[in-house]
Amino acid sequence: DAEITQSPRHKITETGRQVTLACHQTWNHNNMFWYRQDLGHGLRLIHYSYGVQDTNKGEVSDGYSVSRSNTEDLPLTLESAASSQTSVYFCASKASENTGELFFGEGSRLTVL
Amino acid sequence: GENVEQHPSTLSVQEGDSAVIKCTYSDSASNYFPWYKQELGKGPQLIIDIRSNVGEKKDQRIAVTLNKTAKHFSLHITETQPEDSAVYFCAAPGTGNQFYFGTGTSLTVIP
Repeated sequence: DAEITQSPRHKITETGRQVTLACHQTWNHNNMFWYRQDLGHGLRLIHYSYGVQDTNKGEVSDGYSVSRSNTEDLPLTLESAASSQTSVYFCASKASENTGELFFGEGSRLTVL
Repeated sequence: GENVEQHPSTLSVQEGDSAVIKCTYSDSASNYFPWYKQELGKGPQLIIDIRSNVGEKKDQRIAVTLNKTAKHFSLHITETQPEDSAVYFCAAPGTGNQFYFGTGTSLTVIP
């Protein structure tokens, strides 16, 4: 079955370190997204991509970057982790603009000490 | 981007009662409104959606209503069951292919 997977599921890191969260989908979806989930804020869009070599900033993109070198993967990089980036991160993908269904991964819980 | 507001943030109901969650959006051009359910430790999953040319849509015990003039839409769950306990999110589209989410409603169904 097609799926979307995130890794690692849990990570603890220190302030200032670079961290990369992986996201891999096997649906061949063009559209991929990264959200962070925090209590009281819901799901906030970080970055998104509509296809290979395309990346776009979302609502809360400062301190994050993404790259899209192939259809299946959209890794999220925290260049210099900050305590404010402690959160649960969700990757999602979508087939086309005619359907709204986002398929989410299981999430990656990141703690920055 | 789109501004989506969701209320209430928490909701407790007795099993068998109804639950209603409300959302408002800011962009009058938005034309598609999905609802997602998130169970503990998992990613959100789509449960129902509605397009702007429809005022109401039902799927068994869940329904969604849309008022485009007032720019609000609501999720209705009837005959609630303990397995309905979860966090529910509404969403609205941005100018492109992305979605903006409400802040979530934690629903607890008391047996």
